[in-house]
Amino acid sequence: GDSVTQMEGPVTLSEEAFLTINCTYTATGYPSLFWYVQYPGEGLQLLLKATKADDKGSNKGFEATYRKETTSFHLEKGSVQVSDSAVYFCALSDQGGFKTIFGAGTRLFVKA
Amino acid sequence: GAVVSQHPSWVICKSGTSVKIECRSLDFQATTMFWYRQFPKQSLMLMATSNEGSKATYEQGVEKDKFLINHASLTLSTLTVTSAHPEDSSFYICSASTGDGKNIQYFGAGTRLSVL
Repeated sequence: GDSVTQMEGPVTLSEEAFLTINCTYTATGYPSLFWYVQYPGEGLQLLLKATKADDKGSNKGFEATYRKETTSFHLEKGSVQVSDSAVYFCALSDQGGFKTIFGAGTRLFVKA
Repeated sequence: GAVVSQHPSWVICKSGTSVKIECRSLDFQATTMFWYRQFPKQSLMLMATSNEGSKATYEQGVEKDKFLINHASLTLSTLTVTSAHPEDSSFYICSASTGDGKNIQYFGAGTRLSVL
């Protein structure tokens, strides 16, 4: 079945460092790919998405590119801030959009 | 736009009692709503999918008689944890989909359930 694998955390970075959180997926067909962010004690918020190969999703300085050849959707940010500390979930949704499958989540700590 | 409100945000109850959690889409009609359970420092586990006016579809291993889901309108779904026990303590999150083909789910802020 479909699955999402993302790098284990926690990831600890200093402010203004470069961030990469790896995500790879297994799916039949052409899924949509997402990154969600969860701040402490809150639900998930959609961070960015891409719906087809080579699409780049971007938001708040974060970006990720849908790479079908490597089945990857790595999240990147050039300069992280303390306020980016959260848990980041990579996810995919099948073509019908009926079910979303989440990765295990990667916790990010950004130090001042 | 696309706001999902979940209530209550935190509930404490005694073992053996039932607890109802509401999930409302405030500014859109949600043809499909999803209920997830999240254990500490873990990912979301899909419990069930509910479509307005029909019975919920439960994931394997989820007891439908224990976790009652009702989706009576296009803006409201409820999850009732019946005869709660301490092992039911968890973070429950709902999400709603607009069904417009964009495959985006909008999440509620979650409900933390503590069963004593």
